[in-house]
Amino acid sequence: DAKTTQPTSMDCAEGRAANLPCNHSTISGNEYVYWYRQIHSQGPQYIIHGLKNNETNEMASLIITEDRKSSTLILPHATLRDTAVYYCIVRVAGTGANSKLTFGKGITLSVRP
Amino acid sequence: KAGVTQTPRYLIKTRGQQVTLSCSPISGHRSVSWYQQTPGQGLQFLFEYFSETQRNKGNFPGRFSGRQFSNSRSEMNVSTLELGDSALYLCASSLLPSGAGDNYGYTFGSGTRLTVV
Repeated sequence: DAKTTQPTSMDCAEGRAANLPCNHSTISGNEYVYWYRQIHSQGPQYIIHGLKNNETNEMASLIITEDRKSSTLILPHATLRDTAVYYCIVRVAGTGANSKLTFGKGITLSVRP
Repeated sequence: KAGVTQTPRYLIKTRGQQVTLSCSPISGHRSVSWYQQTPGQGLQFLFEYFSETQRNKGNFPGRFSGRQFSNSRSEMNVSTLELGDSALYLCASSLLPSGAGDNYGYTFGSGTRLTVV
């Protein structure tokens, strides 16, 4: 079972920031938070991951709360092409059998013009 | 750099038949994972291979099998197809296996859409 909970859907205006929340209250100390997205009819695309520090790359920023029980993916300037299902995943690194990606239902982000 | 290549893109099979799907990982990637995606169950992990060895397996019946070759290419096979096997089958590659302390994301292919009639 997925160890994260996300809202079912959200929308935002093009050009504005999209803030996608994720709860992972049972996260363990050795589990990372990963974000992937899936645009219709394509394979999931890796966005970003983090352990406890905030992370930023060319696609997005990841903000993890101090207690690590929740996180927020931020798309700073959403475009229509960011319309997709976004998956928040917690995953162990370094322990073999338990480190596979377990996808939940994700959150559908709709970017409106 | 070429991405993950899955062939074929679309496939239609009849119940009872068997099918083989192929995945070529990104050059240099040695780990290949397979996922099944259906509208009802979402994305579900099938298995992972690294250096021709299965390292991890999901909760699927024995009709689902896979293998990896020395060049890291992987195939998955489904025997005695059932209507419920209709799905998008996705392959993902990564530099290292998921248990080796890697901090890398997976790169997914576009998938093979299998329809069983």
